Amino acid sequence: KAGVTQTPRYLIKTRGQQVTLSCSPISGHRSVSWYQQTPGQGLQFLFEYFSETQRNKGNFPGRFSGRQFSNSRSEMNVSTLELGDSALYLCASSPGANYGYTFGSGTRLTVV
Amino acid sequence: LAKTTQPISMDSYEGQEVNITCSHNNIATNDYITWYQQFPSQGPRFIIQGYKTKVTNEVASLFIPADRKSSTLSLPRVSLSDTAVYYCLVGDYTGNQFYFGTGTSLTVIP
Repeated sequence: KAGVTQTPRYLIKTRGQQVTLSCSPISGHRSVSWYQQTPGQGLQFLFEYFSETQRNKGNFPGRFSGRQFSNSRSEMNVSTLELGDSALYLCASSPGANYGYTFGSGTRLTVV
Repeated sequence: LAKTTQPISMDSYEGQEVNITCSHNNIATNDYITWYQQFPSQGPRFIIQGYKTKVTNEVASLFIPADRKSSTLSLPRVSLSDTAVYYCLVGDYTGNQFYFGTGTSLTVIP
């Protein structure tokens, strides 16, 4: 059974650019959530999608957005990149309510 | 939002049982308690989830007292490979389950 797949694994972008990260959840999992992890702030929740609808949202600026497609695959977009956006971005999927989440290996984004 | 409190760090010798306690005084009726393990530069890995009493799987046990204001993750006979950060989360699908605290950094000593 394939796990949660995130692409790309590593990414280097310049300040002011935008970036799109992709996440393919485990087959059958309809909930996809995104996190940002940095040494200073730890694991911070970005948003959660369920059946193509954003169901929960963390406390991040509007530059961070996401979407989920009908096949449950999800993308997150960060516009106007800042140096502080450098982080490990993690995606996780779950079959539904009150089940644990399975995380991907993450995308390491470096903004220079 | 059910906030969790865990010890920042713990040390243990190989072969010992390790118990990590998490306080969640404001846990709601619908909230589940979930524990994750994370190694450096990897995503967290689901360990165990419970609602009340005791839950056991092949890697850990989770003890939850009747008032559910705390929970204890028990790792039997730890090995060096159990050195990781352990997170306790409480919540349900409405949103709380997404908030990770600082976690407990467990170091297993030979």
